[in-house]
Amino acid sequence: GIQVEQSPPDLILQEGANSTLRCNFSDSVNNLQWFHQNPWGQLINLFYIPSGTKQNGRLSATTVATERYSLLYISSSQTTDSGVYFCAVEKETSGSRLTFGEGTQLTVNP
Amino acid sequence: EPEVTQTPSHQVTQMGQEVILRCVPISNHLYFYWYRQILGQKVEFLVSFYNNEISEKSEIFDDQFSVERPDGSNFTLKIRSTKLEDSAMYFCASSGSRTVWGLNQPQHFGDGTRLSIL
Repeated sequence: GIQVEQSPPDLILQEGANSTLRCNFSDSVNNLQWFHQNPWGQLINLFYIPSGTKQNGRLSATTVATERYSLLYISSSQTTDSGVYFCAVEKETSGSRLTFGEGTQLTVNP
Repeated sequence: EPEVTQTPSHQVTQMGQEVILRCVPISNHLYFYWYRQILGQKVEFLVSFYNNEISEKSEIFDDQFSVERPDGSNFTLKIRSTKLEDSAMYFCASSGSRTVWGLNQPQHFGDGTRLSIL
């Protein structure tokens, strides 16, 4: 099956710092999503981004499908950004599984 | 914005008992999924469901598991005889059909049911 690798596995930042999270995947995909899992376990959908660049406030994401990677940028980080960030990809057509990476555990200190 | 709802939020069950987890997908979506996440691990796919039948299942989804869409709105996951290792967060998700440009639609996740087996 498709492999999804995220880096770094852990990241500790001071409030206000910027960061870049990376997701590499081993095959072409029809869907790529970034999620934030908050301390209560909820999976918050950040971006649906099979290709191109999107921005939402302090967060932005870029997927270069031809090179099989995606980047999530967090600017001016806040303590509420803490949690686990997952990248997930869907290889086949609609209705097929999302394969998740292991996640990046982000801690933002005040 | 429409959302996927799951009940209960937390379920505690004795080992060997049957448990049913319930989900109400987004109303115009056609594809339904169950995922699970063991504490501290990544999210794993269990099963996908389309047109009233299973379209894909993982090796985790053995004979102890079953899914059903009993009416036009609910989607359920049943575990027949629970084991300690079934303790996990279970997520339901749904997605719509492909766009006119041939792209997959994103999967929308519920808040999860935390299942604890004693």
